[in-house]
Amino acid sequence: NAGVMQNPRHLVRRRGQEARLRCSPMKGHSHVYWYRQLPEEGLKFMVYLQKENIIDESGMPKERFSAEFPKEGPSILRIQQVVRGDSAAYFCASSPTSSGSAGEQYFGPGTRLTVT
Amino acid sequence: AQSVTQLGSHVSVSEGALVLLRCNYSSSVPPYLFWYVQYPNQGLQLLLKYTTGATLVKGINGFEAEFKKSETSFHLTKPSAHMSDAAEYFCAVSDRGGGFKTIFGAGTRLFVKA
Repeated sequence: NAGVMQNPRHLVRRRGQEARLRCSPMKGHSHVYWYRQLPEEGLKFMVYLQKENIIDESGMPKERFSAEFPKEGPSILRIQQVVRGDSAAYFCASSPTSSGSAGEQYFGPGTRLTVT
Repeated sequence: AQSVTQLGSHVSVSEGALVLLRCNYSSSVPPYLFWYVQYPNQGLQLLLKYTTGATLVKGINGFEAEFKKSETSFHLTKPSAHMSDAAEYFCAVSDRGGGFKTIFGAGTRLFVKA
């Protein structure tokens, strides 16, 4: 059973460009979470999605950031007009539908975004 | 609102010594508590979790943690450190009320000296 997959693993963008980060959850998982990790900091929650629904986006910056999890295909985290402060590692996690999972999340390897 | 505080951003122990990583949480509802480990340039891996029942939880790689409600703590321990334990450790709390939004602590980097 393949784990959570993220691509690309490394992404370099110039200021003002768009960044698209992709996340394919584990098979059978319908909950996806995005986190941002800055150097020497912990993970900051950004958004929680289920298929075709944004459940909680309280951690998303109000501008330039958006996320989706379509019925088919991976979840996408999109950052428009990137700035240097967006440089970070972005992690995706997924969890099963069942409440028996007790909130346990399975993490992907992350996408390291560098804005030049 | 939930929060997690990890005491000590860096902890250094000698190989074979006790590992103790501290975590305190705050939650308005009974929490789910987790410890994750992150090796360089990798994602997070679950070490152990507390949901309900026995307050002493055993995880992988010889780690365990004890949920102490009165102290709002969930400290991580391992009797004897191994060089391969060197990594970053994150304590996390989740709201069992639904949604499973998880709040992570800032992390503790564990160094193991030979």
